Amino acid sequence: GAGVSQSPSNKVTEKGKDVELRCDPISGHTALYWYRQRLGQGLEFLIYFQGNSAPDKSGLPSDRFSAERTGESVSTLTIQRTQQEDSAVYLCASSLPRLTEAFFGQGTRLTVV
Amino acid sequence: AQRVTQPEKLLSVFKGAPVELKCNYSYSGSPELFWYVQYSRQRLQLLLRHISRESIKGFTADLNKGETSFHLKKPFAQEEDSAMYYCALLYNFNKFYFGSGTKLNVKP
Repeated sequence: GAGVSQSPSNKVTEKGKDVELRCDPISGHTALYWYRQRLGQGLEFLIYFQGNSAPDKSGLPSDRFSAERTGESVSTLTIQRTQQEDSAVYLCASSLPRLTEAFFGQGTRLTVV
Repeated sequence: AQRVTQPEKLLSVFKGAPVELKCNYSYSGSPELFWYVQYSRQRLQLLLRHISRESIKGFTADLNKGETSFHLKKPFAQEEDSAMYYCALLYNFNKFYFGSGTKLNVKP
């Protein structure tokens, strides 16, 4: 695909359930970011992958949140035992080192009921 | 350490008024700075980058190394400029740091 793709576009889940969000970065992009955007709020950094380096997990809000990425391909963000405060749009972005642009996906809107 | 600071969460101006969205950064190296924009129901996209010294949709941003600032300016705001604006720093040519964003509301 031409851009960063995220799935699903929308996800409604019951409180306490686990969810998995997927990000397909642009082919060849070594850097991948996950952000959270609450309604009307700005970006909250969650996690950063760069190639085979150890990921920067400093933004993950709790141990219920985890993310994986195999090589330079797809990434999944997992939220366990979802809470209502997890409701937000989760954005993924990818880029290349020395490439002066990060490309964003359209986001996954998560609603926890 | 907070590398990019956008002090205003919300900025409201009237159509035709000048607008300035503030951004300050902390980085000891040679910074590469950007402004991203998110219009309603659209994905985040690049607006401009300082190395290009470009004007996009009437917006400009000047890097001030002395004040470590990269404020976004437009002399006459339009209603269609209403959006969320993010300042970003490319750190070590490798990793983007985004500010927390400023919501610009241009009133008719």
